[in-house]
Amino acid sequence: DVKVTQSSRYLVKRTGEKVFLECVQDMDHENMFWYRQDPGLGLRLIYFSYDVKMKEKGDIPEGYSVSREKKERFSLILESASTNQTSMYLCASKTGGTGELFFGEGSRLTVL
Amino acid sequence: AQRVTQPEKLLSVFKGAPVELKCNYSYSGSPELFWYVQYSRQRLQLLLRHISRESIKGFTADLNKGETSFHLKKPFAQEEDSAMYYCALSKSPGNTGKLIFGQGTTLQVKP
Repeated sequence: DVKVTQSSRYLVKRTGEKVFLECVQDMDHENMFWYRQDPGLGLRLIYFSYDVKMKEKGDIPEGYSVSREKKERFSLILESASTNQTSMYLCASKTGGTGELFFGEGSRLTVL
Repeated sequence: AQRVTQPEKLLSVFKGAPVELKCNYSYSGSPELFWYVQYSRQRLQLLLRHISRESIKGFTADLNKGETSFHLKKPFAQEEDSAMYYCALSKSPGNTGKLIFGQGTTLQVKP
C-alpha cells in the first residue's frame, strides 16, 4: 500500500517567514508533485519532480521553490510567506508513465 | 487553453436516486481524463480513468469527444457516496501526474 506522508498537518506562520513543507513516499516512485487545493478553484499544480534533483514548474510556481535531494523526499519551500499562500497543500507521487497519483493527507497552512 | 469545468459546486440527491456529476473539458489533443474522489477525512484518491472503461463502486464515466464531456454517473446513489469529486485532465500524454483539475463538486446523498 503506497504511503505518502506529509510531516505537518497544520501550520500557522507569519507573513515573511520561510516555510518548509515536507513530503515522503515509500514506494520508490520517480515522480512527485505539489498541488495547492483551494475552494472553488480545485487543485493547481505548483511544481513537480521527475527524478532526484530534477524539477519543473507547474501552473502556479510564483512564490514557491522545491527541493528533491533524495528520491523519497520532496520539499516545498515558501521563501517569504504571504497571506495569499494560506491554503491546503497536497503532495502526490506516482510511477512513470500513466500510473495513478497517490496523495498525502495534506498540510493546511495559515499565514497571518 | 486547457481547462476543466465542473459547473455544479454542490449536488444533493436522495439515496437511491440517479447521480450525474458534470465535467466539461477544453483540450486540443487526445485527452486523458480522470475522476478523483475525496471522502470526509480521507486523502484524495483515484476513482476511475477513461482509458480503463471500468465501473468503480457503481460509477461510470464516458468520454464524449463531440461534447467535450466526461460526466460521472451512478444509477442509484448511496449515502457512502457523499464526498468531493474532482474531474481532471492530463496535460502531458504519457505522464498522468501533471493534471488540470476542475473546481470540484460536493455530492451529498441524503437518507
